[in-house]
Amino acid sequence: GAGVSQSPSNKVTEKGKDVELRCDPISGHTALYWYRQSLGQGLEFLIYFQGNSAPDKSGLPSDRFSAERTGGSVSTLTIQRTQQEDSAVYLCASSGRPEQGNEQYFGPGTRLTVT
Amino acid sequence: GDSVTQMEGPVTLSEEAFLTINCTYTATGYPSLFWYVQYPGEGLQLLLKATKADDKGSNKGFEATYRKETTSFHLEKGSVQVSDSAVYFCALSVGAAGNKLTFGGGTRVLVKP
Repeated sequence: GAGVSQSPSNKVTEKGKDVELRCDPISGHTALYWYRQSLGQGLEFLIYFQGNSAPDKSGLPSDRFSAERTGGSVSTLTIQRTQQEDSAVYLCASSGRPEQGNEQYFGPGTRLTVT
Repeated sequence: GDSVTQMEGPVTLSEEAFLTINCTYTATGYPSLFWYVQYPGEGLQLLLKATKADDKGSNKGFEATYRKETTSFHLEKGSVQVSDSAVYFCALSVGAAGNKLTFGGGTRVLVKP
């Protein structure tokens, strides 16, 4: 079946603009994660959604970052007033129920460049 | 907090050579351990995992053993191929099933023919 998809694949924006990044998880997966991959910080966790529970936002670097997951499926990561240090590849992953091994499947990422 | 430390790359070796990538961790609880691989131009893929002490994960000729006493999860392959050229990430997750991953910095491996 289809894997995790993300859009856009590339996004170039000017400093100070808002951006929205989209993630479509694997159908039926209950958990959805956002990570960021940057040269300076490596791979870091941002936020985690599990079913209808309150999301774990402990990895969001500032209040300019927010995410939502509508209907338990698609998720949007929003970065307001972008800064150059936000330039990175933003990765989305989803995982199924524990009895399915809860392996995280990653999407191809969105490369964000803030100029 | 939780952290993962892995050897810095790049690691350059010849085809059929033996590969070891060291990985050590600190965790607040009892972690599950993972190796992920990122081939050029592709997304992150799970390579192997181990969920309890002394477990050995294996896949595609790669192996790693969960060593609780040394808090390590070193990745090994006996005979690498050019197609193994990639970036390898060690990672852990702690707590409830499906929890977030904490990654090491990644190790780039280049295998030359």
